[in-house]
Amino acid sequence: GAGVSQSPSNKVTEKGKDVELRCDPISGHTALYWYRQRLGQGLEFLIYFQGNSAPDKSGLPSDRFSAERTGESVSTLTIQRTQQEDSAVYLCASSVRLPGLAGVVEQFFGPGTRLTVL
Amino acid sequence: QKEVEQNSGPLSVPEGAIASLNCTYSDRGSQSFFWYRQYSGKSPELIMSIYSNGDKEDGRFTAQLNKASQYVSLLIRDSQPSDSATYLCAVKVLGTYKYIFGTGTRLKVLA
Repeated sequence: GAGVSQSPSNKVTEKGKDVELRCDPISGHTALYWYRQRLGQGLEFLIYFQGNSAPDKSGLPSDRFSAERTGESVSTLTIQRTQQEDSAVYLCASSVRLPGLAGVVEQFFGPGTRLTVL
Repeated sequence: QKEVEQNSGPLSVPEGAIASLNCTYSDRGSQSFFWYRQYSGKSPELIMSIYSNGDKEDGRFTAQLNKASQYVSLLIRDSQPSDSATYLCAVKVLGTYKYIFGTGTRLKVLA
C-alpha cells in the first residue's frame, strides 16, 4: 500500500519568500505530525493533528509557521518570509493507534522535503 | 537540559559484534519509548518500541528499559554493515501525543 508522501522533495527559495510543503498521509491514519530536522540533528516536533480535534501547535518556532489539515487527509505546512535558519528537512508522519495501548501510536514517516533558503 | 539525550557517536563496531546504543530521558513519568533507524538521506523507520521495565527482543534487536534510572538502550547482536545508520531514541510525553526525539547516535559497522 502507499506510504506517506511529501512534496516537493526539494525546495530552494530565496530569503523572504513564502513556501508551502505538502503531506499526504496513509489512508485511514487519523493523526499527523510535522517535524523539522536540521543537518546532523534529531527531529524537532512542530505540530500535531488528531482527527477533528484542535491541533497541538506548541512546537511551531514562530508565527511565520502555520499548518492546516482538512479532515483526515492532506496537510500543508506554510512558512512565511523564510529565513536561512529555516533550512532543514521537514518530515511528516502519520500514525495509527496501537491496539491495547492507550494513547500510543506508531508513526510512519514520509521521505521529507529538503528546504534550502538562500 | 535536553529532555532526551544520546551520544552522537560515531559508534564503531566490527561486523558480528554487539552494538549497544543508550538513551536517557528527563521526564520520570514517561512510559512509552521507541527506537528509530535513519539511513543517511532517508526518513526514520521504527524498529523497536518498549513500555515495560526489562528486555524486549525482536530478532537481532533487544530494547532494554530501566525506568528507575531513566534510560533505555538498544542492543544489536551480530551487527552487519547494513546496520550502519543513525539510531534515534524517542519518548512519548505523558498525557499527550507528542514525541521527543534525541539527536541520534551514528553507528558504523566495520566489515
